[in-house]
Amino acid sequence: NAGVTQTPKFQVLKTGQSMTLQCAQDMNHEYMSWYRQDPGMGLRLIHYSVGAGITDQGEVPNGYNVSRSTTEDFPLRLLSAAPSQTSVYFCASSYSWDRVYNSPLHFGNGTRLTVT
Amino acid sequence: AQKVTQAQTEISVVEKEDVTLDCVYETRDTTYYLFWYKQPPSGELVFLIRRNSFDEQNEISGRYSWNFQKSTSSFNFTITASQVVDSAVYFCALSPIVAQGGSEKLVFGKGTKLTVNP
Repeated sequence: NAGVTQTPKFQVLKTGQSMTLQCAQDMNHEYMSWYRQDPGMGLRLIHYSVGAGITDQGEVPNGYNVSRSTTEDFPLRLLSAAPSQTSVYFCASSYSWDRVYNSPLHFGNGTRLTVT
Repeated sequence: AQKVTQAQTEISVVEKEDVTLDCVYETRDTTYYLFWYKQPPSGELVFLIRRNSFDEQNEISGRYSWNFQKSTSSFNFTITASQVVDSAVYFCALSPIVAQGGSEKLVFGKGTKLTVNP
């Protein structure tokens, strides 16, 4: 199993450009989520999904869109990139609590995004 | 609202010293999970432990041990006989236990950077 796969690993954008960060998992996890990591801020939740077709906002959703058309994929879209979105982005997934009691979040290796 | 506080921003120790990383949390949920994750210099996030709020037994895994005290809302992490490979940023995190959802709404502390010097 590949686990949680994020692409690309690195990306540089200019202000106003759009792009999609890809996240795929092959563990048949119901839950998926996106976090951003900034120095001194820890990881903050952007958006999450409890299953295909269902998404919801986290702590810092502004400037980001998500969709969950399949169980496997959970892309994060930046419609108009801003320098404040320079960060490291992590995708994570897990089983639902009622299916696997002790299921931790599995993280991808991150995408380092710079917006100039 | 949930909140996790890791008051120690950076800690530096010499190899073989014991070190404790502090974690204090706030939540209105009566049932919740607590976690520790490790982020080595390579950047990935490594799951270390998950405990639920109705199990206050301390846990030991090799050189790692965790002390969960509900009365003080703390979930501290101790590394015994630290090694250079323990150098990393360590994150404490909290999530609710609900019928649907929970683990995907993990709230992290800001992390403690541990440096173990030879």
